[in-house]
Amino acid sequence: GAGVSQSPSNKVTEKGKDVELRCDPISGHTALYWYRQSLGQGLEFLIYFQGNSAPDKSGLPSDRFSAERTGGSVSTLTIQRTQQEDSAVYLCASSLSAGGPPQYFGPGTRLLVL
Amino acid sequence: ILNVEQSPQSLHVQEGDSTNFTCSFPSSNFYALHWYRWETAKSPEALFVMTLNGDEKKKGRISATLNTKEGYSYLYIKGSQPEDSATYLCASLAGKLIFGQGTTLQVKP
Repeated sequence: GAGVSQSPSNKVTEKGKDVELRCDPISGHTALYWYRQSLGQGLEFLIYFQGNSAPDKSGLPSDRFSAERTGGSVSTLTIQRTQQEDSAVYLCASSLSAGGPPQYFGPGTRLLVL
Repeated sequence: ILNVEQSPQSLHVQEGDSTNFTCSFPSSNFYALHWYRWETAKSPEALFVMTLNGDEKKKGRISATLNTKEGYSYLYIKGSQPEDSATYLCASLAGKLIFGQGTTLQVKP
């Protein structure tokens, strides 16, 4: 595709529900990243994939968060038993490879947990 | 822990003013320094990726310098325009990309 796409663009859910966020990276980009921006905060790294492997999961805030990537392309970020503090904009980015090349960001998913 | 600090946190200038902001990062295990521009309601957009000490990059009225020995990078905007209003993020790569909190620039016409 032309750019990184994310869905849904907005998600409102009730506390305790599970949510799935999807990211479609730029075709041919082997690295994929998940970040989140909570209100008034900077970009917080969550996890990145090189191919289908996640070398660094250190940013995942709790075991309620998980992510997977299949076929070296689409990735899903799953949040189980959502809490109000999970409300944030979740951004996905991709790059040609992990490390040096610039990252191209998607439009984000705005998650609101009531 | 890798801390990337940006200053100032916010900046208000008049159209035509030139401005600059700072990104500081630990100089150990440095690999690359990224600058991104993040406009409201849009996605962050890559401006520069810099790797070499003394590197200087330019895109139109925006330029950046890098000092890896002392761990800082400057971003300069010459003759600011209202469309330059955005949050400017720097990020240091040392294993993974760690972002600073950003400098939010508001250019008044």
